[in-house]
Amino acid sequence: GAVVSQHPSWVICKSGTSVKIECRSLDFQATTMFWYRQFPKQSLMLMATSNEGSKATYEQGVEKDKFLINHASLTLSTLTVTSAHPEDSSFYICSARDRLASNLNLEFFGPGTRLTVL
Amino acid sequence: ELKVEQNPLFLSMQEGKNYTIYCNYSTTSDRLYWYRQDPGKSLESLFVLLSNGAVKQEGRLMASLDTKARLSTLHITAAVHDLSATYFCAGHTGTASKLTFGTGTRLQVTL
Repeated sequence: GAVVSQHPSWVICKSGTSVKIECRSLDFQATTMFWYRQFPKQSLMLMATSNEGSKATYEQGVEKDKFLINHASLTLSTLTVTSAHPEDSSFYICSARDRLASNLNLEFFGPGTRLTVL
Repeated sequence: ELKVEQNPLFLSMQEGKNYTIYCNYSTTSDRLYWYRQDPGKSLESLFVLLSNGAVKQEGRLMASLDTKARLSTLHITAAVHDLSATYFCAGHTGTASKLTFGTGTRLQVTL
């Protein structure tokens, strides 16, 4: 149980285009999902917290107009990188918190999406 | 704001040896997590430590938590090559309800 999927697993795009990444909780409902970015050989940096049916909460320094987050259902959150540039190239990982196991605040992580912007 | 530091950042150890990874955090964290990440992959949950003195063990890995010292340790016993990976600890603050990750420790177990 507690499987989180991401799609696509990798994407290459041209500078200036937009890319959408999907994060799905496959066998549980997630009222809260998180988006992280990880640069090579570095730690995970939280970008934003996504709550179903409400606006995402962005961490300091993360441009909300550039990284659009939508959490339209209890099993799906999307991250759209708008007008991508080479410096946006990174490994993007989502996680989801099981609504029914909130006492442990366990986050289940997706497999990640590697974005390369040319 | 919670800050989490790990040391060492890189650890090369021989098979069969024991070693400990340290995770220090700056302010009160109501729980502490340990994760493993293989190259190019996402995170695998290893342990959740909920209270002072908590100790959890799985195979050759044992994690402990000392909330008074704001320290968690991940002890590796008789390392094997399969344990080679990057290990992250993460603290959680109830107020913000989010994880703050440590810097990571890249473990390389050599034959």
